[in-house]
Amino acid sequence: RKEVEQDPGPFNVPEGATVAFNCTYSNSASQSFFWYRQDCRKEPKLLMSVYSSGNEDGRFTAQLNRASQYISLLIRDSKLSDSATYLCVVNGAGTALIFGKGTTLSVSS
Amino acid sequence: NAGVMQNPRHLVRRRGQEARLRCSPMKGHSHVYWYRQLPEEGLKFMVYLQKENIIDESGMPKERFSAEFPKEGPSILRIQQVVRGDSAAYFCASSPARLAGVDTQYFGPGTRLTVL
Repeated sequence: RKEVEQDPGPFNVPEGATVAFNCTYSNSASQSFFWYRQDCRKEPKLLMSVYSSGNEDGRFTAQLNRASQYISLLIRDSKLSDSATYLCVVNGAGTALIFGKGTTLSVSS
Repeated sequence: NAGVMQNPRHLVRRRGQEARLRCSPMKGHSHVYWYRQLPEEGLKFMVYLQKENIIDESGMPKERFSAEFPKEGPSILRIQQVVRGDSAAYFCASSPARLAGVDTQYFGPGTRLTVL
């Protein structure tokens, strides 16, 4: 089982749609969880941290279920500028970040 | 406040040559991490360093790869005798000294290495 697994997509949605990404992780000792965004051939940029209580930042909502080792990201009212690859990231027992391979989102007008 | 800086942004080497990648962390950050992203793959951790210390090199290939973060100057990732399979994007990230590994890591723009 891969350490962090994501549906690779691509997800092709129209502007204004709501889209949800899922992610599972294998290490139950993981302490920190993040969603990063990576635009084509550029560096990953932090989108949001994910907390057990769930958290929201504008159109973005992240959820964490430690019992199921499951993380989600919900994007409401999709914009063209949301088109990117979304990386589920887990901090393992050590110091390294463990990245999923990413889910590609394409928003069209 | 400048972000994480990496140079060169693009590097072309022939097989057998050496590649040196540089990373300057964000101001106030003393922890540096190197990641590699192969084409069509996710980022993979390579090494974690603090000033003058390698803390975790569990992701580094056993041969040809080395990293340092001297007291003065940038962190260096060095690849000796490069092979075509080393072609990838190499990203550096930094974090503050408070809670390394738990703190957010901020990424530089990456160095794209092409081995001919």
